[in-house]
Amino acid sequence: GAVVSQHPSRVICKSGTSVKIECRSLDFQATTMFWYRQFPKQSLMLMATSNEGSKATYEQGVEKDKFLINHASLTLSTLTVTSAHPEDSSFYICSASPQGGTDTQYFGPGTRLTVL
Amino acid sequence: GDSVTQMEGPVTLSEEAFLTINCTYTATGYPSLFWYVQYPGEGLQLLLKATKADDKGSNKGFEATYRKETTSFHLEKGSVQVSDSAVYFCALAYNTDKLIFGTGTRLQVFP
Repeated sequence: GAVVSQHPSRVICKSGTSVKIECRSLDFQATTMFWYRQFPKQSLMLMATSNEGSKATYEQGVEKDKFLINHASLTLSTLTVTSAHPEDSSFYICSASPQGGTDTQYFGPGTRLTVL
Repeated sequence: GDSVTQMEGPVTLSEEAFLTINCTYTATGYPSLFWYVQYPGEGLQLLLKATKADDKGSNKGFEATYRKETTSFHLEKGSVQVSDSAVYFCALAYNTDKLIFGTGTRLQVFP
């Protein structure tokens, strides 16, 4: 089946530093990748949608200068949390779609970010 | 705006018990409805879906029926197994638009 990996699975960083999270589709080419954020006991919230080779589309309320998304190839998207602060601590999940479309999203296992 | 509400967990059951996880939604239109499952250490996987009213989605013994009159999409299974222990997410979406998720319900099944 389609597999999506994320790296790292956990990261702890100091306030003010930047953190990069990778999302890879291992056995298919992902036309579209999605980034979600999940707070404890809350829903997954879509942050942005990215298509390979073009700028990401951010959801309302998501700071594009803080959460930099790069989708440079059909198998890799990165999310960089710039100048991280404790309120950015969360669980970040990516998904990838080979065709674009809601029910063909394959999800990564998530990355736990803790900002001290 | 559109939203999904799920029952809070954890739901704790003995093996072979009947499972119901409630899900209701608020939508301005006629979305498709989904159940996703997340096993420990893995990403979310699509479990089943229904695209219009009265449709029943089913997979691996799980079922859910799209009830427009009650705006619900409750997940059921007649006999759960220990291997069903996971977190279950209800979600809605319009066509190819973004998924809107519920908060997830943890299911724990004991032998």
